[in-house]
Amino acid sequence: GIQVEQSPPDLILQEGANSTLRCNFSDSVNNLQWFHQNPWGQLINLFYIPSGTKQNGRLSATTVATERYSLLYISSSQTTDSGVYFCAVLDNYGQNFVFGPGTRLSVLP
Amino acid sequence: DGGITQSPKYLFRKEGQNVTLSCEQNLNHDAMYWYRQDPGQGLRLIYYSQIVNDFQKGDIAEGYSVSREKKESFPLTVTSAQKNPTAFYLCASSVTHYTEAFFGQGTRLTVV
Repeated sequence: GIQVEQSPPDLILQEGANSTLRCNFSDSVNNLQWFHQNPWGQLINLFYIPSGTKQNGRLSATTVATERYSLLYISSSQTTDSGVYFCAVLDNYGQNFVFGPGTRLSVLP
Repeated sequence: DGGITQSPKYLFRKEGQNVTLSCEQNLNHDAMYWYRQDPGQGLRLIYYSQIVNDFQKGDIAEGYSVSREKKESFPLTVTSAQKNPTAFYLCASSVTHYTEAFFGQGTRLTVV
């Protein structure tokens, strides 16, 4: 099945800093999403981005499907950005929505 | 309010007992999913359903069962055959199997 990797596994930032999170996947995908899991466990949808670039406030994402990666950019980070960021992909067979292992982000005041 | 409701938020059960986790959605979505998350780990797919009265096993279906008798509801039963049932369980839904998925708030199950 499709493999999903995320890097870095852990990231510690000072408030106000920028960061880039990466998601690599091993096969073509029909669907790619980025999520933020808050400290209470809820998964918040950030982007649905099988290809191209999207922006939402301080966050933006780019997926280059032909090169099998996606990037999540966080600018001017805030303490509320802390948590785990997951990317998830649906492979071309459409059988399974596979999550990466996540990037744990800690933003310090 | 439209959304996905999981209940209860916390559940404690004795070893050997079956337990059913509830997932309801009022988004009119066809597809629904159950995931399991262990501490510090990603999510793993237990079961999914693309349409009413149909469901498919995911990567870790052993020891679990589901039903999809109504479009709005996709309950998950954790049976006594599940070796390590203590985990955080998340339910999701999407318009169809290929589209954006939305998650409920999760149920934290502890088996003692």
